[in-house]
Amino acid sequence: ETGVTQTPRHLVMGMTNKKSLKCEQHLGHNAMYWYKQSAKKPLELMFVYNFKEQTENNSVPSRFSPECPNSSHLFLHLHTLQPEDSALYLCASSQDLGSGNTIYFGEGSWLTVV
Amino acid sequence: QKEVEQNSGPLSVPEGAIASLNCTYSDRGSQSFFWYRQYSGKSPELIMSIYSNGDKEDGRFTAQLNKASQYVSLLIRDSQPSDSATYLCAVNPLENNNDMRFGAGTRLTVKP
Repeated sequence: ETGVTQTPRHLVMGMTNKKSLKCEQHLGHNAMYWYKQSAKKPLELMFVYNFKEQTENNSVPSRFSPECPNSSHLFLHLHTLQPEDSALYLCASSQDLGSGNTIYFGEGSWLTVV
Repeated sequence: QKEVEQNSGPLSVPEGAIASLNCTYSDRGSQSFFWYRQYSGKSPELIMSIYSNGDKEDGRFTAQLNKASQYVSLLIRDSQPSDSATYLCAVNPLENNNDMRFGAGTRLTVKP
């Protein structure tokens, strides 16, 4: 069982819908991340939060909106997505930021935009 | 130029053989290196981390790092069918320690 849980595991949404992905980590970590994994492409870092403050936004389109109410919870709000946004969205956490900190992943949320 | 490069495979080895997975990276100042295993439909899970040149062994797994050649590898001894998965190489570049860079992964199949 992973210390990082994500819901929903699968989501199908239309391009005009608004939905949210939720992530919770039970590891007492200070940093949380959103990654996108598309078929046959490297994992892409989207957002980084440290002590619930955003430290990275990797040029992500505004149709993806993160929210981090506390160090244990992370949301990704989705609106007016495109079919090419269909991918596996992985939440992750690490004790702290910086070299040497291991990143632990959740099981992921499979998103299909129709 | 890709920052972290891996042969996409598939790499196929017979059960009991040694599987060798390779990764090169572009940022010479990178400090920490990781190997993750990802089963189909599952999330990546950490197998090994390595920070210094040389070999690091953990059970059937050995990570090898050569910073001069910007090369990191993972050897799996006595490969088992349960080792069949995609293996992701990850590198933490020096200038931005918040951004772990991942390779696209090598798919390994171990045949019984």
